[in-house]
Amino acid sequence: EVQLVESGGGLVQPGGSLRLSCAASGFTFSNYAMSWVRQAPGKGLEWVSVIGGGGGSTYADSVKGRFTISRDNSRNFLYLQMNSLRAEDTAVYHCAKDLQWEPHGWFDPWGPGTLVTVSS
Amino acid sequence: EIVLTQSPGTLSLSPGERATLSCRASQSVRSRYLAWYQQKPGQAPRLLVYGASSRATGFPDRFSGSGSGTDFTLSISRLEPEDSAVYYCQQYGSLPWTFGQGTTVEIK
Repeated sequence: EVQLVESGGGLVQPGGSLRLSCAASGFTFSNYAMSWVRQAPGKGLEWVSVIGGGGGSTYADSVKGRFTISRDNSRNFLYLQMNSLRAEDTAVYHCAKDLQWEPHGWFDPWGPGTLVTVSS
Repeated sequence: EIVLTQSPGTLSLSPGERATLSCRASQSVRSRYLAWYQQKPGQAPRLLVYGASSRATGFPDRFSGSGSGTDFTLSISRLEPEDSAVYYCQQYGSLPWTFGQGTTVEIK
């Protein structure tokens, strides 16, 4: 069974940094692109970033230059390094598995998410 | 960026009725690369439909997707209480991948 479990969320001050992790199991992690998708409290879904099986990455404009996605295929972990955090980054962050090695863009399954709160 | 507009915002129907959810794109979605997700309270979204009309594993045939270009529809025939959820459409035809704002389906 495919499982994705995020961790690393918490309360951080504006301008601060946080690193999210996503532990993957139940599939050959290195064979799939992976994404981060966030959901602000009571709001809709926003795609944040994707990394292909080979390591190439793409970002939403709202986080470009501040967030960095990475992966460790030997440990089956996905990461999101978030710097210069803003109040509008407050959200539950989900990791999600893509269809294939190259980013395709639909997400199945999703992890339960980890809450990031940016506030002073 | 492709903007997806979902309607209605909320649908309140009785068990056994049919629900029709709309997703309209600001520009044509390449190759029918349109997905639908179901999200229940406190849970992560679940992929429901991909490629505009292919149903994902685990969902009954009461759920069906259709459409192309800029107009897409998710239909739920014979509503059951467990279908109460928020439904999001998402396009993956061009970056950035974008979601609609969601339609809430309430079962009376």
